[in-house]
Amino acid sequence: DADVTQTPRNRITKTGKRIMLECSQTKGHDRMYWYRQDPGLGLRLIYYSFDVKDINKGEISDGYSVSRQAQAKFSLSLESAIPNQTALYFCATTSQQGDTDTQYFGPGTRLTVL
Amino acid sequence: SQKIEQNSEALNIQEGKTATLTCNYTNYSPAYLQWYRQDPGRGPVFLLLIRENEKEKRKERLKVTFDTTLKQSLFHITASQPADSATYLCALDERDSSYKLIFGSGTRLLVRP
Repeated sequence: DADVTQTPRNRITKTGKRIMLECSQTKGHDRMYWYRQDPGLGLRLIYYSFDVKDINKGEISDGYSVSRQAQAKFSLSLESAIPNQTALYFCATTSQQGDTDTQYFGPGTRLTVL
Repeated sequence: SQKIEQNSEALNIQEGKTATLTCNYTNYSPAYLQWYRQDPGRGPVFLLLIRENEKEKRKERLKVTFDTTLKQSLFHITASQPADSATYLCALDERDSSYKLIFGSGTRLLVRP
């Protein structure tokens, strides 16, 4: 079984709809992240959480919100989707090995907003 | 402003040759740098980490160098194989208390049989 899972894997929605992307991990990591990936722009950080009570904005948090329901679950919501939120979304968890962070990514969710 | 640059053009090489990918950065002083591999439609997978006080790191056919004076990392794949075809991302730590990684946009490698 995959260590980091994301649902759904693909989603097509319309402008103005509310969308939730879910992420679950079985690695026992405290830190979880949401990124979006656009062609030519690489991975950009949306939100991150270091534990259930800690939520932090990344560089592109506008238009998004998150919920850390448990250590293993971190959800990303688009309250009112817009076309420029069409992208590939990745959840990741971190294994802090000493003073470094190796990130483990989920398989991604391809979101299309029409 | 802080910037990470990877060659946006695909690198196209013949099987058996050495592939060399470049990661340049400006206005950072990272404590370490990581390389990830990403296949189409999948999440990145960690390959190697190199610290600021290390010049070179090896793992099987992979070699990474880190020159903090030039602000550059080179990623080499020796004896390349078609299965090495993928996009390779470099990532730097953001040296504050946030423990975040900043990713480059990646370079696509194509290895021809």
